[in-house]
Parts: sequence; C-alpha cells; structure tokens
Amino acid sequence: EAQVTQNPRYLITVTGKKLTVTCSQNMNHEYMSWYRQDPGLGLRQIYYSMNVEVTDKGDVPEGYKVSRKEKRNFPLILESPSPNQTSLYFCASSFRDDYEQYFGPGTRLTVT
Amino acid sequence: AQTVTQSQPEMSVQEAETVTLSCTYDTSESDYYLFWYKQPPSRQMILVIRQEAYKQQNATENRFSVNFQKAAKSFSLKISDSQLGDAAMYFCAYRRNDMRFGAGTRLTVKP
Repeated sequence: EAQVTQNPRYLITVTGKKLTVTCSQNMNHEYMSWYRQDPGLGLRQIYYSMNVEVTDKGDVPEGYKVSRKEKRNFPLILESPSPNQTSLYFCASSFRDDYEQYFGPGTRLTVT
Repeated sequence: AQTVTQSQPEMSVQEAETVTLSCTYDTSESDYYLFWYKQPPSRQMILVIRQEAYKQQNATENRFSVNFQKAAKSFSLKISDSQLGDAAMYFCAYRRNDMRFGAGTRLTVKP
C-alpha cells in the first residue's frame, strides 16, 4: 500500500529534551516536506526537500532541523523543544514539486 | 510571498443541499497548481480536487467541482448533494515549488 508513515503518532516531552519524528514514504517520491498545523493558521511549511541531500527552509524553520540522506526518509529533529512547538505535525511527499502531496497521519506533539 | 485566504472560518449546509467554499490567493506567477484538501476528525489530510492554472476548464470530481477564476485569483469549491461524511475542515492550497495553505473552513452538515 502506497503511504507516508510517521512515528510516533503522539508524543509528550519536556522542554529541552531532544526528539526526532520519523517520516518514511514508499512511493519513490522525490519531494518531501514537513508542516505544522495550529488552530486558525492552517498548515505552515517547516522544511522541504526536493531530493536526496537537498533541503530548504519553509516558512517556520526556527527550532527545527531535517536531513535527507535517503530518498524514502525525511526525519524532523527538535534539538531543544520549547512549549511553542506544541503542535500537530504532518509529513508529506509528492512525485515532483508540482504534484499533489500525500500526507502522513500526523504526530501530535506536546512540550511541557 | 504567495498567500492563500479562506474568508469563511465556518460554513453549514443541510444534507443533500449544495454549498460553496471560498478561496482567494495572491501570486505573480502564471503557472501553478491549486488544491482542496479535506481533513475529517481523524486529522488525515485527503486530497479532494486539483486544478492546473494553465487549464481553463474547471476540475470536477463526482460531487465536488471548482470555480477557477484565474484573473480574479479565486478558487472556490462547490459540494453538491452534501452528505454527512462531508463534514470536515477544508483547506485550499496553492503550489508552485512549495505549498501554501489557507487557514481552513470548518464545514458542518446538518441532517
């Protein structure tokens, strides 16, 4: 089944404790991206990657890191999480940068 | 920077009736793509319909259709014969390289 998977689905952590949210797609897509969703703001792009070893900042990259060492994986790293990073996070992928994106199920992150 | 505006935070429709959700966007580009995504309570993002800017014909997918007005930078979604399962958040999105989303419209369907 073609899909985008994210882990974990739910995470509660404390301020400053490094965490990684994994994202993997099995569709051989070149383009992958991370979004955060907050009430009243829609989805805002954090980082995106056009291909392996190529990453670019989106609208809200502060406090996040990403890497794209393999085509299928695009982890999101929070080196020192803060409460304002409490949000719903989505990973997405697409064949190219002009195609519709396929979304993962989301990760609900709470930072206390 | 491109922006996407959904001016209706909430909409309501009677089952079997028709409802139109509004979306406007701002861009200086001529080639781009527009999408409507549905987000039910499960939080999953589901593609409803897509429109290529170079196509004049409005996209249609079963009960879902769009009214794409390129000059006016408007991209509304019409849902015909509304069903209870259509209740969800609907997001309009613009894509050229990166993707921009509107703030969403919450649609309620009344039985």
